[in-house]
Amino acid sequence: NAGVTQTPKFRVLKTGQSMTLLCAQDMNHEYMYWYRQDPGMGLRLIHYSVGEGTTAKGEVPDGYNVSRLKKQNFLLGLESAAPSQTSVYFCASGTGYGANVLTFGAGSRLTVL
Amino acid sequence: KNEVEQSPQNLTAQEGEFITINCSYSVGISALHWLQQHPGGGIVSLFMLSSGKKKHGRLIATINIQEKHSSLHITASHPRDSAVYICAASGGGADGLTFGKGTHLIIQP
Repeated sequence: NAGVTQTPKFRVLKTGQSMTLLCAQDMNHEYMYWYRQDPGMGLRLIHYSVGEGTTAKGEVPDGYNVSRLKKQNFLLGLESAAPSQTSVYFCASGTGYGANVLTFGAGSRLTVL
Repeated sequence: KNEVEQSPQNLTAQEGEFITINCSYSVGISALHWLQQHPGGGIVSLFMLSSGKKKHGRLIATINIQEKHSSLHITASHPRDSAVYICAASGGGADGLTFGKGTHLIIQP
């Protein structure tokens, strides 16, 4: 089982460029999440989805958009990248029932110059 | 919003030592999670607990609901235990977990 797969693993962007991070899970999980991890801070929720066709804002949604057109995929888009979006991004998925155990992807390191 | 605090932030110990990492949270939760992140690596769930104690190999997690406190213990620590250990609280809502900042553990041979 692949679990949760994120692509790409590394990316360097220039300010103002756009890009999309892809998260794919093969566990038939309903819930999917995008987090960012910055030095000295805990993981912070960007957006999440409770099922195909749904999305919701998390703690730090500004500058990001998401889509969940298929149950197994959750896309995170940066329309106009800024240096403040330099971070490591983690996708996670879970069943969403009760106390939710999450399965994480390996992370995507994004640098915006 | 739940506040999750971990201590210590950094911990260096010798191989074989008993390790304790602490986590406190500010409001009631449905479950407390402990996760492990190796350098440059992904994040793996170690435990999810809502009461009492759980054990897996050399790792033990405990929670005191009344005190809003949890501990992660590592017995007979080994250099391969070196990692960041993250505590996270689940309120049971759709928006997942609230994370602590992590404890960076180094076990020296």
